[in-house]
Amino acid sequence: AQSVTQPDIHITVSEGASLELRCNYSYGATPYLFWYVQSPGQGLQLLLKYFSGDTLVQGIKGFEAEFKRSQSSFNLRKPSVHWSDAAEYFCAVGAAGGFKTIFGAGTRLFVKA
Amino acid sequence: DTEVTQTPKHLVMGMTNKKSLKCEQHMGHRAMYWYKQKAKKPPELMFVYSYEKLSINESVPSRFSPECPNSSLLNLHLHALQPEDSALYLCASSQNTLAGSSYNEQFFGPGTRLTVL
Repeated sequence: AQSVTQPDIHITVSEGASLELRCNYSYGATPYLFWYVQSPGQGLQLLLKYFSGDTLVQGIKGFEAEFKRSQSSFNLRKPSVHWSDAAEYFCAVGAAGGFKTIFGAGTRLFVKA
Repeated sequence: DTEVTQTPKHLVMGMTNKKSLKCEQHMGHRAMYWYKQKAKKPPELMFVYSYEKLSINESVPSRFSPECPNSSLLNLHLHALQPEDSALYLCASSQNTLAGSSYNEQFFGPGTRLTVL
């Protein structure tokens, strides 16, 4: 069965510091992988996606993620965090030809001055 | 137009009320979705419409009744809700690639914050 694990419920980083959010997935075939960000009371905004090709994916707002098939991971990174990055981050996997998206439990990012 | 709009932004209703949530997109997408999201939890899929026909119903209680009157609109009719139904309701849409090799990337609306008293 498909699943997505985000091991960190919350993370606190200092403004200007680097960030890595972890995501591990379980899926039988090549997965379609996503990172979404959600500010309080808002909808989900797509940060980046991986379908195939280059395993290092660039997204919006200076985020990137690396697909590692051997580790079943798709970790999100940002070299320098801004206070406005404080939000909930969801990793997700989608099935080819299907409508279902499996979301991880989310990681809450806190940014301290 | 690359956005999904939802109205109202906030809704407070009693357990005996009937209300509706609305969702609209003009991206030519032929799949539309309703999700329910409780605080500090990921979104949970409720319904999927494909070409205006109900494709997936994730065993949602009948007090939630979806409707897709045309390819741009999706409604969620609410009746006799319970306080535990209070949540953020998200609408999403995607191109409906019926071929098996493509994933239907979803675009989300801002949500309707529902409170049931």
